[in-house]
Amino acid sequence: QKEVEQDPGPLSVPEGAIVSLNCTYSNSAFQYFMWYRQYSRKGPELLMYTYSSGNKEDGRFTAQVDKSSKYISLFIRDSQPSDSATYLCALKPHSGSRLTFGEGTQLTVNP
Amino acid sequence: KAGVTQTPRYLIKTRGQQVTLSCSPISGHRSVSWYQQTPGQGLQFLFEYFSETQRNKGNFPGRFSGRQFSNSRSEMNVSTLELGDSALYLCASSLAERQANYGYTFGSGTRLTVV
Repeated sequence: QKEVEQDPGPLSVPEGAIVSLNCTYSNSAFQYFMWYRQYSRKGPELLMYTYSSGNKEDGRFTAQVDKSSKYISLFIRDSQPSDSATYLCALKPHSGSRLTFGEGTQLTVNP
Repeated sequence: KAGVTQTPRYLIKTRGQQVTLSCSPISGHRSVSWYQQTPGQGLQFLFEYFSETQRNKGNFPGRFSGRQFSNSRSEMNVSTLELGDSALYLCASSLAERQANYGYTFGSGTRLTVV
C-alpha cells in the first residue's frame, strides 16, 4: 500500500466550477502538507503549504487538513482554463527533508 | 531572482552509458534534493545534499549517485543506464532543511530518454 493515495483522474470540469482534490495518507509521522501544480513539460510549482489541521485560504485556493482522518484536500473556486494542470499533494515528516508525493490528479477546466 | 536551473533540458542516451545532470539552486539556497518522476511511480526521492554532504538517500540502486559543490550547485550521475531510467529528473532547492517545511522550489527538470 502506498503511503499517500491520490486519485489520478483525469478530472474534467466546466469553467467556473468548484474543484475538489484529495489525498489520504497512512503515516501519522507526516506533519507538513503541500500542494503543487505541474504544467506539462514544467517542474512542480508550490501552491500552498500547511502544518496544522484546519483550513488555509489563498485567493481562489483553499487547503484543508484533517490529521485525525489522515485526509487532505485542495479546493479551487471559480476554476479557470489556466488551472488545467496536474495537482500533486506532498507530505513531509517533522524532521528530514524528504517529500512523499501523491500520484497527482490531472485536471482540465473547459471554457 | 533566478529560479532553479537544470541542464540539459533533454537528453537521449543508450543503454549501458552513463549520464550526468546538473542543477544550480536559487542563489543562497544550500539544500538541494533530486527526484525522479515517471508515469508509473510518480515523484520519488533520490537524495538530498546540504553543504556538500549527502543528508538523505532514497531507495535507488547504487548506480544513482550525486554530489554538491561548495557553491551549492549539484550534479547527479547515473551509470550503466537501463531503459527503466527514462524519466524526468527534478532538482529542488530550499534555504535549509527547516525551510523545506514550507516547500521546495523545483526546476523544470531534465527529460532523460534511454534507448
